Amino acid sequence: AQRVTQPEKLLSVFKGAPVELKCNYSYSGSPELFWYVQYSRQRLQLLLRHISRESIKGFTADLNKGETSFHLKKPFAQEEDSAMYYCAPPPSGGYQKVTFGTGTKLQVIP
Amino acid sequence: EAGVAQSPRYKIIEKRQSVAFWCNPISGHATLYWYQQILGQGPKLLIQFQNNGVVDDSQLPKDRFSAERLKGVDSTLKIQPAKLEDSAVYLCASSLGRPGNEQFFGPGTRLTVL
Repeated sequence: AQRVTQPEKLLSVFKGAPVELKCNYSYSGSPELFWYVQYSRQRLQLLLRHISRESIKGFTADLNKGETSFHLKKPFAQEEDSAMYYCAPPPSGGYQKVTFGTGTKLQVIP
Repeated sequence: EAGVAQSPRYKIIEKRQSVAFWCNPISGHATLYWYQQILGQGPKLLIQFQNNGVVDDSQLPKDRFSAERLKGVDSTLKIQPAKLEDSAVYLCASSLGRPGNEQFFGPGTRLTVL
């Protein structure tokens, strides 16, 4: 089974401060990982995926195979970043027992 | 484009009753997923369809849960009989169908079992 863990349930930062949301994974093979975000009263939506190595809304995430981590980072937090963030492996077919991380609530304090 | 549609949005039933949820994916999306999200936890994949075939139902409690995707479009998820621990949000998602494609989620159905 592909497992991801998010150790922090809640992360509070001040506006303008750096943000790091932690995600660790534990499965063999070449991992593919995603970050999903859910803003208040909105649907769960993709934020970014590690394959594309893109920056979305100022967020980046680097896959660190040595530390088995895929932390989400942003240098300067904004109030509109307040949301639930989930780290997730992709369901790509086959019996993989996919479960998202438990999620981290990011609270940006004005 | 229209997003993933789910109904009903909310459902309250008593234990041992049956319930069904409906999902209409984005047009053209070959893959459809049902997730269960219990309060305080991340979504857990219950079943994944590729067109109308099942490719992963390893976490589906098959003694009480069933799902189908006739004609490879809409899908229904049924619980019969429901237990208290089935109280959760049931999310439907769809994607184009290649491994690692982005999933698009519906608004979810919140089920409360009394």
